[in-house]
Amino acid sequence: GQQVMQIPQYQHVQEGEDFTTYCNSSTTLSNIQWYKQRPGGHPVFLIQLVKSGEVKKQKRLTFQFGEAKKNSSLHITATQTTDVGTYFCAGGYGNKLVFGAGTILRVKS
Amino acid sequence: GAGVSQSPSNKVTEKGKDVELRCDPISGHTALYWYRQSLGQGLEFLIYFQGNSAPDKSGLPSDRFSAERTGGSVSTLTIQRTQQEDSAVYLCASSFTRAEAFFGQGTRLTVV
Repeated sequence: GQQVMQIPQYQHVQEGEDFTTYCNSSTTLSNIQWYKQRPGGHPVFLIQLVKSGEVKKQKRLTFQFGEAKKNSSLHITATQTTDVGTYFCAGGYGNKLVFGAGTILRVKS
Repeated sequence: GAGVSQSPSNKVTEKGKDVELRCDPISGHTALYWYRQSLGQGLEFLIYFQGNSAPDKSGLPSDRFSAERTGGSVSTLTIQRTQQEDSAVYLCASSFTRAEAFFGQGTRLTVV
């Protein structure tokens, strides 16, 4: 079915450590999007990946789309307290977006 | 408007009452989503509209929940006979087809 599994559910890291969240789909995606939700806020779009094997970077954030277009990852290098929030992936199934459950990131300073 | 607008921003209602939540998407956006989010939790999918039709209603928790979208624009989520477990933030998002989704600020529903 159209379901995006996202892991881990929670991650607590020490400031300066790296962080990675993963998304998996059992079926091929047309695209994958990533969003960030700050505490008390609403999800805000970060990036969209469309091509097989695509890698995009935004400063300390690296986004990857798997070769089979069934999985994706978001990696943050050297986390900062400003990275705190919930990170969601959203898989495209045709015209419809399906959001993962999100990974809550807490950063200890 | 410039973004997705949801109203009311907060709603406190008594158990058993009906509530209507409204979403004004960005003009021209064909896709519209309703999600529910409990405190500290992820997004729970409720319903997806493409234009005025709802190809996927699979997330609606019970028959007390319904939603409609008129004119390919405004959407209303109705919860009948509210229960305490309905308390959550209800988020609406809209997008062009296969493009980024824009979320509203949400409606915080509290059932007392």
